[in-house]
Amino acid sequence: NAGVTQTPKFQVLKTGQSMTLQCAQDMNHEYMSWYRQDPGMGLRLIHYSVGAGITDQGEVPNGYNVSRSTTEDFPLRLLSAAPSQTSVYFCASSYRPEVGGYTFGSGTRLTVV
Amino acid sequence: SQQGEEDPQALSIQEGENATMNCSYKTSINNLQWYRQNSGRGLVHLILIRSNEREKHSGRLRVTLDTSKKSSSLLITASRAADTASYFCATDGGTGFQKLVFGTGTRLLVSP
Repeated sequence: NAGVTQTPKFQVLKTGQSMTLQCAQDMNHEYMSWYRQDPGMGLRLIHYSVGAGITDQGEVPNGYNVSRSTTEDFPLRLLSAAPSQTSVYFCASSYRPEVGGYTFGSGTRLTVV
Repeated sequence: SQQGEEDPQALSIQEGENATMNCSYKTSINNLQWYRQNSGRGLVHLILIRSNEREKHSGRLRVTLDTSKKSSSLLITASRAADTASYFCATDGGTGFQKLVFGTGTRLLVSP
């Protein structure tokens, strides 16, 4: 099993550009989430999904869109990149988060100039 | 807003010593989890403790939970250089298991 795979690992965008961060898991996990990590602030939840076709907002959803058409994939779209979105983005998935915690991807480091 | 705050922010110890990290949170919870993050890597789940549990062990890890004080501690015994990492507590904030709220983390440095 590959676990949670995130692509790309690094990305530089210009202000106003859009892009999609990819996340895929091969563990048949229903629960998937996107977090951003900024220095000294821990991780903050952007969007999450409890199954295919079901998504909801987290703590910091503005400027981001998600969709969940399959169990395996949970892409995160930046609509119009801003310097404030410079961060490290992590995707995570879980089978039963109430007992087993989450499996995290290795992250995407995004810089918006 | 951050649900949890870890204390200390940074901890430096020698190999073989024990490391204790504390986490405080703000609202009622269903469970609390601890994660490790090596530099430049993703987070790794270490242990989960439910709100009705007071203590849990996993190998060299011991986690305690005091819901009356809204606090938890992570003890790593007989630390190794490989334990050098940042450690985060995360709670569900009582809102559901799908919405983890992380603390700001403790950076642990274990020197040989």
